[in-house]
Amino acid sequence: KNEVEQSPQNLTAQEGEFITINCSYSVGISALHWLQQHPGGGIVSLFMLSSGKKKHGRLIATINIQEKHSSLHITASHPRDSAVYICAAANTGNQFYFGTGTSLTVIP
Amino acid sequence: KAGVTQTPRYLIKTRGQQVTLSCSPISGHRSVSWYQQTPGQGLQFLFEYFSETQRNKGNFPGRFSGRQFSNSRSEMNVSTLELGDSALYLCASSFSDRGYNEQFFGPGTRLTVL
Repeated sequence: KNEVEQSPQNLTAQEGEFITINCSYSVGISALHWLQQHPGGGIVSLFMLSSGKKKHGRLIATINIQEKHSSLHITASHPRDSAVYICAAANTGNQFYFGTGTSLTVIP
Repeated sequence: KAGVTQTPRYLIKTRGQQVTLSCSPISGHRSVSWYQQTPGQGLQFLFEYFSETQRNKGNFPGRFSGRQFSNSRSEMNVSTLELGDSALYLCASSFSDRGYNEQFFGPGTRLTVL
């Protein structure tokens, strides 16, 4: 069993739709990270959460520590949001456990 | 501030050879982590260095090794390359060695083993 489970694996949405990507983890964490990877490989850190909710533009990330679950929401999706989104659980020793990623395609 | 840099960006090697990849972290960052990304296994943690000491190691064979220098630059080495080592190797730097620190990723080195 993977330490981090992510769903869905693939997601296609129409421009403007509200998108949710889910992440469940089984390890003890100091933080839950959401990463974005565009074609070509570059990875950007979107959010780092240890509790509650964070918002950055049209992106919102939430975490429920008791349920060991986090969600990434994209409001008013746009084709430029097309990318792979990866959930990563970091323990206190800075060791990361990664989800398999969600490949998002937003169609104009 | 300059971002994380990795060299080389692309590399082609043959089975049995060895390879050394380099990572220069953001100035002031003392933690460098290495990851392997393959289509089949996704992102996997290789190891993490902080202040020249390996703090964590993932589940990889001893052919994979690394080190960190006093200026925080890090190298990873893979000896006796196998076809399955073909992957994107990413390094990331952060300010400290605690999980609650934003990771800044380099562009990666794409290794192809023939």
